[in-house]
Amino acid sequence: SAVISQKPSRDICQRGTSLTIQCQVDSQVTMMFWYRQQPGQSLTLIATANQGSEATYESGFVIDKFPISRPNLTFSTLTVSNMSPEDSSIYLCSVGQSFQETQYFGPGTRLLVL
Amino acid sequence: AQTVTQSQPEMSVQEAETVTLSCTYDTSESDYYLFWYKQPPSRQMILVIRQEAYKQQNATENRFSVNFQKAAKSFSLKISDSQLGDAAMYFCAYRRSSGNTPLVFGKGTRLSVIA
Repeated sequence: SAVISQKPSRDICQRGTSLTIQCQVDSQVTMMFWYRQQPGQSLTLIATANQGSEATYESGFVIDKFPISRPNLTFSTLTVSNMSPEDSSIYLCSVGQSFQETQYFGPGTRLLVL
Repeated sequence: AQTVTQSQPEMSVQEAETVTLSCTYDTSESDYYLFWYKQPPSRQMILVIRQEAYKQQNATENRFSVNFQKAAKSFSLKISDSQLGDAAMYFCAYRRSSGNTPLVFGKGTRLSVIA
């Protein structure tokens, strides 16, 4: 299975600021997924990031709020822009290979917006 | 659109006993994958077990097994000989088999293990 790291592991931010979360994988992967988990809730897909193309966003998520970069096959970033307390969540990246049905998750970034 | 339903927000089990967590799903696809993930307080998502829809045999991983009923679109998780370390949130998830698609999650079941 892929080994996935995320930075930062947690952060406390002021409203109106932005935070960039990094996701690093120890092997090349075709697809990376970004999920949000609000307090006490399940995981909701934010977007799918494919290397070399624009990320595909789910309904309710827009690029201006959650810009994503995918510069190579082992790395991606998610930025949470102009944060409000409603953005307080755990953000998780997940990876999958086209030949590997299982998706594996990073340890998550716990974000608190004051 | 595919949906996953976990009807038990919370469950509890005595240590060493067996517990079954329920999951149903809705899809028009014939080929897909189903998963159970465990999320302990550390928040790390850990794969527990995986089932391919084309396989009739139920998946088993040590103390964890599933009861996959394709016609009924049911996918329950049985934990045998429950241990204190099994206490966590358990999420049932669905994924289409065509392409590298994301997971669709249920709302989760919080499992408590009583010593």
